[in-house]
Amino acid sequence: KNQVEQSPQSLIILEGKNCTLQCNYTVSPFSNLRWYKQDTGRGPVSLTIMTFSENTKSNGRYTATLDADTKQSSLHITASQLSDSASYICVVRDQFGNEKLTFGTGTRLTIIP
Amino acid sequence: DAGVTQSPTHLIKTRGQQVTLRCSPKSGHDTVSWYQQALGQGPQFIFQYYEEEERQRGNFPDRFSGHQFPNYSSELNVNALLLGDSALYLCASSLRATNQPQHFGDGTRLSIL
Repeated sequence: KNQVEQSPQSLIILEGKNCTLQCNYTVSPFSNLRWYKQDTGRGPVSLTIMTFSENTKSNGRYTATLDADTKQSSLHITASQLSDSASYICVVRDQFGNEKLTFGTGTRLTIIP
Repeated sequence: DAGVTQSPTHLIKTRGQQVTLRCSPKSGHDTVSWYQQALGQGPQFIFQYYEEEERQRGNFPDRFSGHQFPNYSSELNVNALLLGDSALYLCASSLRATNQPQHFGDGTRLSIL
């Protein structure tokens, strides 16, 4: 059964600090992995996409890494801002040519001033 | 360019009733997927529509049904509502057979009393 597990479940950090969120998956065969940001009461918004051949990808203060051998990904947030407070969801797509995605349960990040 | 729009934003029903949720995809998208997101959880895939047909389905009972119209908009119908159906229902649209991300609406918050 395809699964995506994220850790930690929740995280509280001070504004300006860095943090790293983790994602482990068992989806096979693997197509790509996306990190989504979901603000409270809103739908998820895509931050980055990682394919099998990519190890690192950045989007502003967000940097995602992927280790396809160990089936792990991380999302690093640099110099956090209050607006980074949200849930971050790891989503993995399989290779069967469809668009059925497997979602993690998310990490709830809270930035405090 | 409007993104994915969902209606209504909030809905309150009682057990046993039926509900219809609506979704208009992002302009240029032809595929609509529906997700159920319980509080504190990641989205769970319900089903996906393309060319007015259900193409894939997650582990949801037949009480959950849908439809896609020629203009690509979609409806999600839930019959015989249960308390456990209380959740945020997300619609996501995409362009089939591309690697572009799914674009999510902000969801319909369904509460069952």
